[in-house]
Amino acid sequence: AQSVTQLDSQVPVFEEAPVELRCNYSSSVSVYLFWYVQYPNQGLQLLLKYLSGSTLVKGINGFEAEFNKSQTSFHLRKPSVHISDTAEYFCAVSVGTGGGNKLTFGTGTQLKVEL
Amino acid sequence: NAGVTQTPKFRVLKTGQSMTLLCAQDMNHEYMYWYRQDPGMGLRLIHYSVGEGTTAKGEVPDGYNVSRLKKQNFLLGLESAAPSQTSVYFCASRPTFFPNSGERQFFGPGTRLTVL
Repeated sequence: AQSVTQLDSQVPVFEEAPVELRCNYSSSVSVYLFWYVQYPNQGLQLLLKYLSGSTLVKGINGFEAEFNKSQTSFHLRKPSVHISDTAEYFCAVSVGTGGGNKLTFGTGTQLKVEL
Repeated sequence: NAGVTQTPKFRVLKTGQSMTLLCAQDMNHEYMYWYRQDPGMGLRLIHYSVGEGTTAKGEVPDGYNVSRLKKQNFLLGLESAAPSQTSVYFCASRPTFFPNSGERQFFGPGTRLTVL
């Protein structure tokens, strides 16, 4: 079975500073990887996804993530954050086809952007 | 196109009461999912469905039942609510896999349930 680890439960950062949210996964087979964002009192929205091809994936709101197969990581980055980026970010993995293509989520990282 | 909607948005129950949460999607998606979200634990899959008339257990199914009588609706039932079921419940849906669908799940806004 696959699993996802988000080591940082909270990441405080000043506005306009760069940020990296870490995600590591474990799986014995090929995976699809996702980052979702959850703004306060809302559902989850897809930020970006990696299915295949280029290991650098660009998403919405200036975020990007790099798939590193050897390190089993999919870290999320943004070069300059804004107050509006304050939210909880979830990394998720899906394995193969069939079986409902279930997503396994990490425990989330709360990004708090301060002035 | 409303996407994924959930009813109700909030609910308070007493221990032992029952209730049903409704998830509806208007995107003709085959797959539907129910998750619960608890602080520090991320989202955990309760039950899911790969098509009308089918359901399957997820990671934390105990205490819940589901039904998918119509393709667009996925119901989550609590037969006898317990305080441990206090949580935020999210429904999601996904189309059958095509190369461009991206395996992405579309989420509803959530239902906040408190069991006293």
